[in-house]
Amino acid sequence: SQQGEEDPQALSIQEGENATMNCSYKTSINNLQWYRQNSGRGLVHLILIRSNEREKHSGRLRVTLDTSKKSSSLLITASRAADTASYFCATDRGDDKIIFGKGTRLHILP
Amino acid sequence: DTGVSQNPRHKITKRGQNVTFRCDPISEHNRLYWYRQTLGQGPEFLTYFQNEAQLEKSRLLSDRFSAERPKGSFSTLEIQRTEQGDSAMYLCASSLDSYQPQHFGDGTRLSIL
Repeated sequence: SQQGEEDPQALSIQEGENATMNCSYKTSINNLQWYRQNSGRGLVHLILIRSNEREKHSGRLRVTLDTSKKSSSLLITASRAADTASYFCATDRGDDKIIFGKGTRLHILP
Repeated sequence: DTGVSQNPRHKITKRGQNVTFRCDPISEHNRLYWYRQTLGQGPEFLTYFQNEAQLEKSRLLSDRFSAERPKGSFSTLEIQRTEQGDSAMYLCASSLDSYQPQHFGDGTRLSIL
């Protein structure tokens, strides 16, 4: 079963705009991770945020975590064509495996 | 820098045949994971290894599926008597330990005719 659920399912924006994706989950977690997947390829780890952290940055990526609402957001600033991909959140409940959501398909328009 | 390698990249086979996939993890990684991903879905956990020990198997892993990791290095995933529903992308990932992010291979896409 899938723990996380991303919203929206699909998102199209103009190059240069910011993209925001959200993830909601059901049970308490140790950490939450975001991954990117280009079509036909494996997943690439983007960022990990622990349950005691509220915000984390990595380059053009900003991730927030609200454990009281069981939700996280991924913000990509100044989007580029190369950001076109599917983005997945994955939750680690401390039971040695991570559970992925269904993903948000992001399309950057030229 | 060699990442996680999976072979073959694509496998087409007739229903009822057996198939085997191979995963070569990053060399110093102790953990190895197998996932299945269908179109429009996120990866679903199948099983994982700590070195050569298989520590957990998902309910998705029926008795037709078997995974091994001899000597704690590469791993194989075998599906016996394949069914139409087995068509999917099979992803392998490895990590140094349970606290580190997982590194994924590009997967093996299985198509059952």
